[in-house]
This record gives sequence, structure tokens and C-alpha cells, in this order.
Amino acid sequence: QAGLTQPPSVSKGLRQTATLTCTGNSNNVGNQGAAWLQQHQGHPPKLLSYRNNNRPSGISERFSASRSGNTASLTITGLQPEDEADYYCSAWDSSLSAWVFGGGTKLTVL
Amino acid sequence: VQLVESGGGVVQPGGSLRLSCAASGFTFSNYAMHWVRQAPGKGLEWVAFIRYDGKYKYYADSVKGRFTISRDNSKNTLYLQMNSLRAEDTAMYYCAQETDAFDIWGHGTMVTVSS
Repeated sequence: QAGLTQPPSVSKGLRQTATLTCTGNSNNVGNQGAAWLQQHQGHPPKLLSYRNNNRPSGISERFSASRSGNTASLTITGLQPEDEADYYCSAWDSSLSAWVFGGGTKLTVL
Repeated sequence: VQLVESGGGVVQPGGSLRLSCAASGFTFSNYAMHWVRQAPGKGLEWVAFIRYDGKYKYYADSVKGRFTISRDNSKNTLYLQMNSLRAEDTAMYYCAQETDAFDIWGHGTMVTVSS
């Protein structure tokens, strides 16, 4: 099953803004949008947003998601050291009848 | 709200394992559930989904015909029966509750397929 495409790594400075991208197609990201998850080394993933820009309770407003066509984006403002983690996007693929994940982006905060 | 996976271990290629995921702190029977796995040093891979009542199930192509997802709402427990295991099934297996997406995760149980 084809997955979503994410850049393997992004590096940004402390207090800067990082934008992570996730590209799919009209059957997944372009259809119902994407969810974003954060995973710190050795820990399970944590949901950051769903259906493009809905945040679960307790998730900082520094995390915002959006979508343009078949590409979803996660923007993290005011980068902090604790934001250094792996970020995954996910979407339901209506043609595959399956959920698909991106390969993940490792965010480094310099 | 808590999910606790168990049942992982070391198994030979071709063998079987049954994973369990015990849920607490929420009304288990109201929520769809997923299994997601992560091979060592790799990304997340969705494995299987089951609707809240067990009537709809979906599987990744990589496990279709070998793995079976099920649930016992009376026991607040999710299961993953894994047969014909292969080396490439080696991974940490997580269960996840779906409210809006993959909302709540357990800490995972490790499955190693090796001779």
C-alpha cells in the first residue's frame, strides 16, 4: 500500500517556525485530510491534530495544521527543545480501504 | 484512559502469537480500535482496524490473510491473532483508540520473529 510522502528531516533554530509537509493524493489527503502525530524517541506517538486543523485538548496552539489540495502541512511556531521529535501524518485512503502513514519527518531544533 | 498491550515475545518464522490490548478509563464498546506497528528504527505502519461493534474490519495488505483483529467488549479487550509470522513482522505493536483519529495509544508490546 502506497504511503504518504514526508521529507525525512527538517532542521530549524530555537524559537523559529517549522513547516512540515505531507503529500498524498485525492483518495487520501485530498479527500478527508490528514492527522498529525508526534513521537519522541522511546515513546508511543501522540495525536497533535486531526482532519487538518482540529487539535485534541491539551495540544499547544503552537501546533497548527492545514491542507492545500493533496498536501497537508503542520506548522510549529516558537520552536522549543521539546519539539525535537519524529512527526508522522496519516490519512484514510478510500481507494485502498486502509489507513496510510507518511514515512515520518525528524525535526531537529538547533 | 489507558491501553495496555501484552502478548509479545520471540517466535520462530511460521509461528503464531496473540496480542491483547486491555482498555480502561473509557467505554470501550463505543470506540473503534486500531493496531499499528513500528519496526526497529522505522516509521509507523497501520496494521488493522475494527469498528466499535466488531462488524467492520480492515487490514493492511502486508498482513491480510495472516492476521485477525477481534474484540471482546464484555472484557474491554482488543486482540490481534498473528499467524504465519515472518521476519518482517518484527516490530513494536501498538493498539490505538479512535475518537477522531489515532487518539489514545498504549505503550506497545514487542514482537520478534527469529529462528
